[in-house]
Amino acid sequence: ETGVTQSPTHLIKTRGQQVTLRCSSQSGHNTVSWYQQALGQGPQFIFQYYREEENGRGNFPPRFSGLQFPNYSSELNVNALELDDSALYLCASSPSAGAGYEQYFGPGTRLTVT
Amino acid sequence: EDKVVQSPLSLVVHEGDTVTLNCSYEVTNFRSLLWYKQEKKAPTFLFMLTSSGIEKKSGRLSSILDKKELFSILNITATQTGDSAIYLCAVEGGNQFYFGTGTSLTVIP
Repeated sequence: ETGVTQSPTHLIKTRGQQVTLRCSSQSGHNTVSWYQQALGQGPQFIFQYYREEENGRGNFPPRFSGLQFPNYSSELNVNALELDDSALYLCASSPSAGAGYEQYFGPGTRLTVT
Repeated sequence: EDKVVQSPLSLVVHEGDTVTLNCSYEVTNFRSLLWYKQEKKAPTFLFMLTSSGIEKKSGRLSSILDKKELFSILNITATQTGDSAIYLCAVEGGNQFYFGTGTSLTVIP
């Protein structure tokens, strides 16, 4: 059974640029959630995708967008990068959406915006 | 405003001590409360709690939820240096997940 993987591991971008982060969910999982974790803080929920549809969204502006593909892998896109977007971006997959399902986290992508 | 508050923020103990980590929450449409351990990057799952008063146990770790008083505790007995990590509490409300800032635990040999 393959765990959750994310790419790239690290990324450096300039303010105003756009970035795409990728996540492959664990085998058998159809739900992916994305989180932003700033240094010294807990993860902040960005959004969740369930069977290719957005299933919930946190308090993030529209320049944070996502996709989920038929194989349940997912992308997080961030446009017009700001310095405050520098953080660890985590994705987590689960067998389904809703209560009662554990989330398994990937190793994260460290994004630095200069 | 939905929120999850963890206490203490940090804790330093000696090997063999018992610790209790606290998580209180105010989250609309509560569905579940989860505990994670974060050592370097990816948080690793410890427990999921959905019902009040039922203790979940795994080795030296245990956790319980009180849905009336809106809190949970995570107990670690006979702590080891390998328990040093940040412990995160998360609450699922509706279709969102709310994390606390975590408790940083350091276990000294």
